[in-house]
Amino acid sequence: QKEVEQNSGPLSVPEGAIASLNCTYSDRGSQSFFWYRQYSGKSPELIMFIYSNGDKEDGRFTAQLNKASQYVSLLIRDSQPSDSATYLCAVKDTGNQFYFGTGTSLTVIP
Amino acid sequence: GAVVSQHPSWVICKSGTSVKIECRSLDFQATTMFWYRQFPKQSLMLMATSNEGSKATYEQGVEKDKFLINHASLTLSTLTVTSAHPEDSSFYICSARTDLNTEAFFGQGTRLTVV
Repeated sequence: QKEVEQNSGPLSVPEGAIASLNCTYSDRGSQSFFWYRQYSGKSPELIMFIYSNGDKEDGRFTAQLNKASQYVSLLIRDSQPSDSATYLCAVKDTGNQFYFGTGTSLTVIP
Repeated sequence: GAVVSQHPSWVICKSGTSVKIECRSLDFQATTMFWYRQFPKQSLMLMATSNEGSKATYEQGVEKDKFLINHASLTLSTLTVTSAHPEDSSFYICSARTDLNTEAFFGQGTRLTVV
């Protein structure tokens, strides 16, 4: 398994705050990077993906990628209690395999 | 997004029996399907990758004779857990993608309990 590292948390933020989730990966040849949200007992659902250095924004979510540092992050603005879930970072390597991090548990406190 | 249907969503079986899990892409042709296993409070672990019409590629440490994967068509892949034991109890999830898609789409997952 390729290494994809995430802080397991749990991360707690108050409602309305910004939640910051981080991920590092070991395969420098990785091409695409994904953030999934997984509720307990459910399958992951895609939030967004990024493959170019810089920021990509989609609504309250912003993904940031720095390939030189092998680092990708997800910012959630105006966090809501419904955002409480486990967030999985996934990396697609040159062989089109998807590898997941261990996930970060996020709790948004009302 | 595209729809991937996984069946069954929940199965209980006796130790020593075999269980088959189906993964179907409903509205697209999946050239590649991935099978993952997730133990409680752990991340998804890639078990194998299958391309339609060819043998699956297994990750290191995954027994290919125990976890039989068949990807006979562009819309169906199956995972058969042979001679299941309690330690095989886990959440099994498939995902599928086409060459045109950057992302992979997930099935609902199958919770297997071996008693």
